[in-house]
Amino acid sequence: DQQVKQNSPSLSVQEGRISILNCDYTNSMFDYFLWYKKYPAEGPTFLISISSIKDKNEDGRFTVFLNKSAKHLSLHIVPSQPGDSAVYFCAASAAGNEKLTFGTGTRLTIIP
Amino acid sequence: KAGVTQTPRYLIKTRGQQVTLSCSPISGHRSVSWYQQTPGQGLQFLFEYFSETQRNKGNFPGRFSGRQFSNSRSEMNVSTLELGDSALYLCASSSTTVNTEAFFGQGTRLTVV
Repeated sequence: DQQVKQNSPSLSVQEGRISILNCDYTNSMFDYFLWYKKYPAEGPTFLISISSIKDKNEDGRFTVFLNKSAKHLSLHIVPSQPGDSAVYFCAASAAGNEKLTFGTGTRLTIIP
Repeated sequence: KAGVTQTPRYLIKTRGQQVTLSCSPISGHRSVSWYQQTPGQGLQFLFEYFSETQRNKGNFPGRFSGRQFSNSRSEMNVSTLELGDSALYLCASSSTTVNTEAFFGQGTRLTVV
């Protein structure tokens, strides 16, 4: 049972435009959500997170939006840069639990 | 501040052998979690240790075990290796603060032949 889903395995975006990566979850106990970026043969790098008490969190070019009623979150990258090309994972955790449940990832390719 | 350090980076083992992987968390982090990444299954949670105690466990067979030492360093052991155990094994550490991000090491690439 995939509790965190990233339905787009891949996404291509022109450099300078906005990249939008989507994530859906089914477990209503999740209250903390994170996005990680991963290059091949390396560990995931933390990008940005959001608590369920918020609906938006911004950090530079990265913004995460959370829609609790739809159990949906998205990561916006503006403007997209070639160095953003990587696999992006959405992850979620429940209160007081360090276990992260990951989505299957979306491969983002930025076209120069 | 040093990041999460995993050793070794690469490992080749024969089916039936056992293997031990090591993880040194970020200084001050007391929670250490282990994940398995495979092309077909993505990142799967193995277990989490806090203050030398296993707090959470994923759905992996008993061949997968771990431990944490008093300095928060952790080891993961896989016995009776199978070909399907070939994967990238990732360790993550986090502080004791609620709702905080986990920081990952570079992983150990295990190949079972």
